Amino acid sequence: AQTVTQSQPEMSVQEAETVTLSCTYDTSESDYYLFWYKQPPSRQMILVIRQEAYKQQNATENRFSVNFQKAAKSFSLKISDSQLGDAAMYFCAYRGNRDDKIIFGKGTRLHILP
Amino acid sequence: DADVTQTPRNRITKTGKRIMLECSQTKGHDRMYWYRQDPGLGLQLIYYSFDVKDINKGEISDGYSVSRQAQAKFSLSLESAIPNQTALYFCATSDQVRDEQFFGPGTRLTVL
Repeated sequence: AQTVTQSQPEMSVQEAETVTLSCTYDTSESDYYLFWYKQPPSRQMILVIRQEAYKQQNATENRFSVNFQKAAKSFSLKISDSQLGDAAMYFCAYRGNRDDKIIFGKGTRLHILP
Repeated sequence: DADVTQTPRNRITKTGKRIMLECSQTKGHDRMYWYRQDPGLGLQLIYYSFDVKDINKGEISDGYSVSRQAQAKFSLSLESAIPNQTALYFCATSDQVRDEQFFGPGTRLTVL
């Protein structure tokens, strides 16, 4: 069965600095999708970024980028120029190509220090 | 207007009561999901539905049931609520073409 592991329950970063959130996953599939979701205090789940496993190029969305290492089954999220509004829980998630279910990690709570 | 709505947003109930959480979507998606979120556990899948006639159990379906009344509506029921069902419940939808899931605002349920 696929699993998603986020080893950092909490992290803190100074405003305007860069922070990287870690995620590893386990799968026997070769084709799949990976996601990072943000959950601010409003509790709404918001998609931050997605990566298709068949794409070698790392996905980027403005200040958010990923480091996708397929062989290592690693999918880290880098947030550049951290802003106070980035404070939230961040969930890494996996979806196999043959299965519509998404498997979530347990989350990393990110604090932004002013 | 929100694409995925959930009612109620907050609910406090007592042990043994029957509770229904409702989800509606205007995105036209066929696939709908119910998740439960507990602190430190991420989101766990309760039930999911690929169309009106297709209902599937997720990781933690015991104690829950669902009804897909229409393409746009997917309800979650707790037949006899118990305190360990206190959690945040999310409904989500997804497009068959794209794989992104779109989440509702969540329902915070407290069972006393």
